[in-house]
Formats: sequence, structure tokens, C-alpha cells
Amino acid sequence: EIVLTQSPATLSLSPGERATLSCRASQSIRNFLAWYQQKPGQAPRLLIYDASNRASGIPARFSGSGSGTDFTLTISSLEPEDFALYYCQQRSNWLTFGGGTKVEI
Amino acid sequence: QLRLQESGPGLVKPSETLSLICSVSGGSISRSNYYWGWIRQPPGKRLEWIASIYYSGSTSYNPSLKSRVTISVDTSKNQFSLKLTSLTAADTAVYFCARPNTGGRFTSFDYWGQGALVTVSS
Repeated sequence: EIVLTQSPATLSLSPGERATLSCRASQSIRNFLAWYQQKPGQAPRLLIYDASNRASGIPARFSGSGSGTDFTLTISSLEPEDFALYYCQQRSNWLTFGGGTKVEI
Repeated sequence: QLRLQESGPGLVKPSETLSLICSVSGGSISRSNYYWGWIRQPPGKRLEWIASIYYSGSTSYNPSLKSRVTISVDTSKNQFSLKLTSLTAADTAVYFCARPNTGGRFTSFDYWGQGALVTVSS
């Protein structure tokens, strides 16, 4: 099983600031990594797939980078609606998810 | 607009079998090149992929759950289903059905149902 470790667990920032979230895989997953946003009581929302491709309708302030074992989700300037939980997910060896990073005010 | 809707019991007893249905509207399961999936999220914990199925019936299972899980598809009703046997409290979770954003057996998911909370308790 490929284990995904996200850091930090919590990120305390203010609107307008830059957010940098990390996801590390226990072995190489090439670029087979996705990022999701989840708000309380809602389903996850796909933001980024295959490391750097924005999903349909996702604002340009969200960007993804990385390959192999280290990946980053960057939110260039936080909007009030961006404060949420963020998960990474790999599809290199079946499917597993990271433990999440909470972006809070 | 594609829509997925989970249905099933909210409360199930330990050792029993959970049956969930995902009804798809706004698109056809049988005219798609996707492996439709089930994912769950125990309270306060990370998401866990359970299984995926193609319209033809080809399946993929999470190895850690495979012995207890059956996923099936009914293209005539535009639905796919999940059965999970030998339930314990650890199976308490919100169960989501989802559609991938690309073809292929293992993918990311861009359309999700609202989720169905299933509690395992006597």
C-alpha cells in the first residue's frame, strides 16, 4: 500500500496570504496525484489531477506541482471560501488518500 | 448536469450486510468509459477507496476490504451498488459514490454524490 503523508496537519493563515500544502508518498507515484478540497458536510471537490492539471472550473489561484514522491498544492492568494480541508490522493497503485491538511483562519 | 445519489439504510447491526445503491442521472453509465467508484470516510478520518466498476462489470477492489465487498452495476436502471458484509463499528462512515474525471481503472473523481451516513450499531 502506498501511504500518503500530508503536512502540516493545520495551516493557520489570513485571506490574501499564500498557502503551501505538502503531500509525500511512501514510494514513487510518478505524477499520479490528485488534490481535493472538502468542507464540512460536503463531498470532496477535485481541484488538481495528475499533479498539475486543474480540474474543470477550478480557479487559477490553485496550482499543483511535483513528481515522484513529493508534491505541493499552492493557493496563491487565499479567498474566504478556501478555508477548508485538503486531501491528496494517489492512483499509481490502486487508490489511497492522505490524512488531510486543514487550512484555517 | 451529472448527478449521483446514494441510497440505503442509515443504521445497520454488527455482523449484518450493508447494501447501498448509487443512482446516476444526467448521464449514462453504459455510454461512458469510466470506472464508477465507492469511497467512504469514517468520522474524523481520511477517505478510503472501496471499489470501482466498469459498465461491463469489470471490477477493482481495495485489497484490505476485498473479502467483504461486492460491487455490481445495473445499466438498465443506470445504477451501481455496493455490498459490505460482516459489519463492525469500524465500518461506520459516510459512503460516497463517485465518477472519475478520466478513463482507466484507477483515477481521480470529479463527480460525487452527497454521501450517505451509515452507522453500525446494535
